[in-house]
Amino acid sequence: DGGITQSPKYLFRKEGQNVTLSCEQNLNHDAMYWYRQDPGQGLRLIYYSQIVNDFQKGDIAEGYSVSREKKESFPLTVTSAQKNPTAFYLCASTLGQAYGYTFGSGTRLTVV
Amino acid sequence: AQSVTQLGSHVSVSEGALVLLRCNYSSSVPPYLFWYVQYPNQGLQLLLKYTSAATLVKGINGFEAEFKKSETSFHLTKPSAHMSDAAEYFCAVSLPFTGGGNKLTFGTGTQLKVEL
Repeated sequence: DGGITQSPKYLFRKEGQNVTLSCEQNLNHDAMYWYRQDPGQGLRLIYYSQIVNDFQKGDIAEGYSVSREKKESFPLTVTSAQKNPTAFYLCASTLGQAYGYTFGSGTRLTVV
Repeated sequence: AQSVTQLGSHVSVSEGALVLLRCNYSSSVPPYLFWYVQYPNQGLQLLLKYTSAATLVKGINGFEAEFKKSETSFHLTKPSAHMSDAAEYFCAVSLPFTGGGNKLTFGTGTQLKVEL
């Protein structure tokens, strides 16, 4: 079955370390997104990509970086510049606006 | 720009009672509207969507929502709550044909509790 796979599900890192979250989809969707979720704040857009080798900053891109070298993959790196990285991270993709998003199951990052 | 407001961050209902989760939107053009459900430590799952066809939209798990342009609302309802409906629900909006990467803007969510 087609879907989005995020890995790992839980991730622990020490403060000051960079960490990369994986997002892979086999839905043949062009557009992919990264959201951050904190309690009571809904979902906030970090980065998005509409096509391979192109991506745009979202509302809270500072301290994050992405790449889109393949259509299927959109990894997110949380850098040491991100002041408060502990959160639940969600990856999504879409075929187009009328379809809504398909989400992965998320990665919970805890920085200690 | 578009936005959504979900009234009530927490809603509690008895099992078998009506579920009503409120969503109001703001947009400069007729929007696409979505409701998603999220169970703990999971991703979001699409419940239903409005994309300018019928104003009453039926979704999965017995949920439905009605698009009311005059009230700029898209409230989610279910006639009879079940314990398995306990989850967080998100309303989302996007503006068709305006470019900008097909982005969805999400509300802050409503946590639904179902009591015996």
